Amino acid sequence: QKEVEQDPGPLSVPEGAIVSLNCTYSNSAFQYFMWYRQYSRKGPELLMYTYSSGNKEDGRFTAQVDKSSKYISLFIRDSQPSDSATYLCAMKVIQGAQKLVFGQGTRLTINP
Amino acid sequence: EAGVTQFPSHSVIEKGQTVTLRCDPISGHDNLYWYRRVMGKEIKFLLHFVKESKQDESGMPNNRFLAERTGGTYSTLKVQPAELEDSGVYFCASSQDRGTGAGYTFGSGTRLTVV
Repeated sequence: QKEVEQDPGPLSVPEGAIVSLNCTYSNSAFQYFMWYRQYSRKGPELLMYTYSSGNKEDGRFTAQVDKSSKYISLFIRDSQPSDSATYLCAMKVIQGAQKLVFGQGTRLTINP
Repeated sequence: EAGVTQFPSHSVIEKGQTVTLRCDPISGHDNLYWYRRVMGKEIKFLLHFVKESKQDESGMPNNRFLAERTGGTYSTLKVQPAELEDSGVYFCASSQDRGTGAGYTFGSGTRLTVV
């Protein structure tokens, strides 16, 4: 079983729609939760990060963490064609190894 | 501020050959990481340097992979001899702090194809 599960999609929605992306995980030691955006032929770019449970909002983006359910979400409001990319969730334990554990990534297309 | 730079951007080699990937981190970033994504799979951790020391190399797949970071600046990842299953995109990342992972900056990756 993978430590982090993420539906690879692809997901296609019309411009202006609300997008919901999510990941589940099995390791209860994860404390830092991140969402990266990756455009084609580029490296992952940090979009949002959250420590422990709760919500975090940044512009059109909202990240939610529910540690009791081992479930994290990223919401994109008023989606734009420029949001078309692969979205990766990543997690890290608070102590010990510094490595990030990634989900497989969800390929998102916003249609004008 | 210059980002994380990786060379080459793409490499095609034959099975059994040797390839060396290079990563130049952001200046002043003591932490340097190598990750790899093989086709259809998630990005996976390979190893972590703090300055010139290997802090964690638990993700290195086997002894055909050798990573170095001489002088604590740029890093190289050598694959010798390359096998077909080594094909994938190799990412380097650097960070100043070791805490949250929020300070990571990734390079654009080296796409390695072994034929």
